[in-house]
Amino acid sequence: GENVEQHPSTLSVQEGDSAVIKCTYSDSASNYFPWYKQELGKRPQLIIDIRSNVGEKKDQRIAVTLNKTAKHFSLHITETQPEDSAVYFCAPNSGGGADGLTFGKGTHLIIQP
Amino acid sequence: EPEVTQTPSHQVTQMGQEVILRCVPISNHLYFYWYRQILGQKVEFLVSFYNNEISEKSEIFDDQFSVERPDGSNFTLKIRSTKLEDSAMYFCASMADTDTQYFGPGTRLTVL
Repeated sequence: GENVEQHPSTLSVQEGDSAVIKCTYSDSASNYFPWYKQELGKRPQLIIDIRSNVGEKKDQRIAVTLNKTAKHFSLHITETQPEDSAVYFCAPNSGGGADGLTFGKGTHLIIQP
Repeated sequence: EPEVTQTPSHQVTQMGQEVILRCVPISNHLYFYWYRQILGQKVEFLVSFYNNEISEKSEIFDDQFSVERPDGSNFTLKIRSTKLEDSAMYFCASMADTDTQYFGPGTRLTVL
C-alpha cells in the first residue's frame, strides 16, 4: 500500500509570510495528489489538487507543485492569514474510484499575528 | 452547493452496544466511503462502496463493521458491538466519476 510522509508536523509562521508543506509517497502508480484542510472539529475540505500530467497548479494564494520522479508534492501558501491556521493533510492516490485515500499524518499550521 | 450530510453529529453509547451511523451522500455521486479519525490523529480509511457492494476495505474494517445502502439516498455504517477503542470521529465521503472525494461533517462516537 501507499506509504505517505508529511513534513513538517508543525509549522509556525508570521502572518503575511509563506508556508510550505511537503508530502512524499511510495506508490509510483499514484497520479492524483490532493491537499485537504481540516479546521478543529470540522470535516477535511479539499483546497487544491493536481494530477500527474501537470507540474504546478495555482489558485490565488495556494499552489501545489509535483515532482513525480522524486515522488513528492508540496503545498505552498503565500501571504498567510489567521484563517489559514488548521491541519493540512495530503492524500496521494491512484485516482481509481474504489480506492480509499491514504492520508499523511498532517501538518499543524499556526499563523502568528 | 450540495454537501454530504451525516447524522447524528454526536453519539454516545455503552461498550457492547450496536450503533448505526448515517450518511446522505451527494445525490449524483457513485462512490461512497467511510473513514475514521481518532482524536489528534490522521484520517484513516475504513471501506469503499460502489454499485451496491463493498469495493475495498482496510484492516480496521473487521467483522464488527458493516455498511449498507438501504435506499437511493442513505449510506450507513453499523458497528455491532462497540469497544472503547471505537471512540473516534467517523466521516462519510462520496465521489462522482472524478477523483475528488467530498467529506461529510462527521459523527463523533463516544463509547463509555
